[in-house]
Amino acid sequence: QKEVEQDPGPLSVPEGAIVSLNCTYSNSAFQYFMWYRQYSRKGPELLMYTYSSGNKEDGRFTAQVDKSSKYISLFIRDSQPSDSATYLCAMTYGQNFVFGPGTRLSVLP
Amino acid sequence: EAGVTQSPTHLIKTRGQQATLRCSPISGHTSVYWYQQALGLGLQFLLWYDEGEERNRGNFPPRFSGRQFPNYSSELNVNALELEDSALYLCASSSRVTNEKLFFGSGTQLSVL
Repeated sequence: QKEVEQDPGPLSVPEGAIVSLNCTYSNSAFQYFMWYRQYSRKGPELLMYTYSSGNKEDGRFTAQVDKSSKYISLFIRDSQPSDSATYLCAMTYGQNFVFGPGTRLSVLP
Repeated sequence: EAGVTQSPTHLIKTRGQQATLRCSPISGHTSVYWYQQALGLGLQFLLWYDEGEERNRGNFPPRFSGRQFPNYSSELNVNALELEDSALYLCASSSRVTNEKLFFGSGTQLSVL
């Protein structure tokens, strides 16, 4: 079993849809959880960061962590064509970072 | 505040040559991470440097090496280039204060012909 698994995608949704992106993990030592957005051939950009179970909201984005189920999600409300990118989940303990393989999202106008 | 900067943006080499990629972390960050991202694939961890020392290494052959300088900038060297080394090489930095967050540069696109 891989340490971090992510819905493989690709995912295509119409503009305005609610998007749900998900990752599961196996290592209960992970303490911090992040979501990165990566546009084609660019470096990943830190989108959301959280360390506790529950929800964290930032504009149209909500990060959800369930440590008991070892499950994290990113919700995007009112999705826009500019949200089209690959989304990577990441988690860390100490300074060991582990990334999911990414989910490619296309938001169609 | 400047972000993580990488140079060059693009690099074209032929098989057997050596490539040198450079990275300057965010000011105040002491840790530098290197990742390889082949087309359509996820991030593969290469190397982690902190305070001038190599702290961890991913599952890559020894021809991938690097170093971190006293000003915390870093260099990744790839010797005896192979076609499958063609990829986007990403550098990221973190600080002791916010060590749970990684900030990435825009990457160096290495093409091996």
